[in-house]
Amino acid sequence: AQTVTQSQPEMSVQEAETVTLSCTYDTSESDYYLFWYKQPPSRQMILVIRQEAYKQQNATENRFSVNFQKAAKSFSLKISDSQLGDAAMYFCADTGANSKLTFGKGITLSVRP
Amino acid sequence: EPEVTQTPSHQVTQMGQEVILRCVPISNHLYFYWYRQILGQKVEFLVSFYNNEISEKSEIFDDQFSVERPDGSNFTLKIRSTKLEDSAMYFCASSEGQGSFYGYTFGSGTRLTVV
Repeated sequence: AQTVTQSQPEMSVQEAETVTLSCTYDTSESDYYLFWYKQPPSRQMILVIRQEAYKQQNATENRFSVNFQKAAKSFSLKISDSQLGDAAMYFCADTGANSKLTFGKGITLSVRP
Repeated sequence: EPEVTQTPSHQVTQMGQEVILRCVPISNHLYFYWYRQILGQKVEFLVSFYNNEISEKSEIFDDQFSVERPDGSNFTLKIRSTKLEDSAMYFCASSEGQGSFYGYTFGSGTRLTVV
């Protein structure tokens, strides 16, 4: 069974600063994918970034990047130059061969102006 | 950009009533999913659907639930006899191929309130 753990329930960051959201996962799959989703107050699920486990290079998307530590089964999200619009719930998720997404409990990020 | 469309955005129903939640996946997508998020909790997988049949379902997806793709465009989730604990946000998602590789597109969700 796959499990995804987000141990921090909430974090706060000053606008323009950098924040890192933690995530660990446990999977027996050899080939899997990792995702970060953003859920603003509208509750829509928006893909932030995706990492393929067989790629050693960390994924980046503009101000968003990941620190993927495969041996440690860690997948943290770094948000640089935080903006007010980044305030949301962030979910870490993984998926294996069966394509089913397994989500963590999420972390609420607030951005202070 | 193509979207997954879900209707209604909010539905209130009485306990014991049947509800049908509707989704229109992206037109060239082949894999379809339903997820559920009880308020304040994590998002949980319900069911995946491919080639007109269920490919996987979770323990939550019991006999009260069913899915259907009745006309080649809509993808529906039916709850036969709703319970209070079915109150949640229900998300539809679709994927062009095996979701892991192609990624998933989520709809905006339907908030179901059972009273």
